[in-house]
Amino acid sequence: KNQVEQSPQSLIILEGKNCTLQCNYTVSPFSNLRWYKQDTGRGPVSLTIMTFSENTKSNGRYTATLDADTKQSSLHITASQLSDSASYICVVYKSGGSYIPTFGRGTSLIVHP
Amino acid sequence: NAGVTQTPKFQVLKTGQSMTLQCAQDMNHEYMSWYRQDPGMGLRLIHYSVGAGITDQGEVPNGYNVSRSTTEDFPLRLLSAAPSQTSVYFCASRYGPGDPQYFGPGTRLLVL
Repeated sequence: KNQVEQSPQSLIILEGKNCTLQCNYTVSPFSNLRWYKQDTGRGPVSLTIMTFSENTKSNGRYTATLDADTKQSSLHITASQLSDSASYICVVYKSGGSYIPTFGRGTSLIVHP
Repeated sequence: NAGVTQTPKFQVLKTGQSMTLQCAQDMNHEYMSWYRQDPGMGLRLIHYSVGAGITDQGEVPNGYNVSRSTTEDFPLRLLSAAPSQTSVYFCASRYGPGDPQYFGPGTRLLVL
């Protein structure tokens, strides 16, 4: 069973609108959580990292939140642009050893003009 | 810096053939990993390395071999290709265990 669940699976929004992507995890022990953006035909690129003590972190129009108690994270995209069309992947890293990551299946976002 | 490079970009194999997917990074990263990405599934770890001479198995290692003779290179070998190995393969590197991973552009493999 996948220990990182993302929702929705896919999302279509109009340019300029906001959206929120969700990530629930059961990975333990927790080290950190990263959101990656994967454009079609390319490798994922790291957007932001959330550690246990952080609640909110922003990277431009991207804002990630983390609730370590409920094991939930969200990625909020403000004023969407056509270039935001991509797959957004939530990755949770275990602590200890080599920090092996567990990947969610991703949310496919399409931004229409 | 070129970052993480992978070759080839595309490859078609017949069942039973062997081949090596190349991966190189010029960022002096100790940690390198190989993943496969299949439709509707998350990236799955095949093998990883925490430094030259050190490799370990990931979630789906069967049918694949790796070696790490230098810090820069981490090739992935398919011993006897099977249709189930049709996938997109990504190589990634990072400086340390808590650092972001840098992914290569991927190799698209089709096994007939």
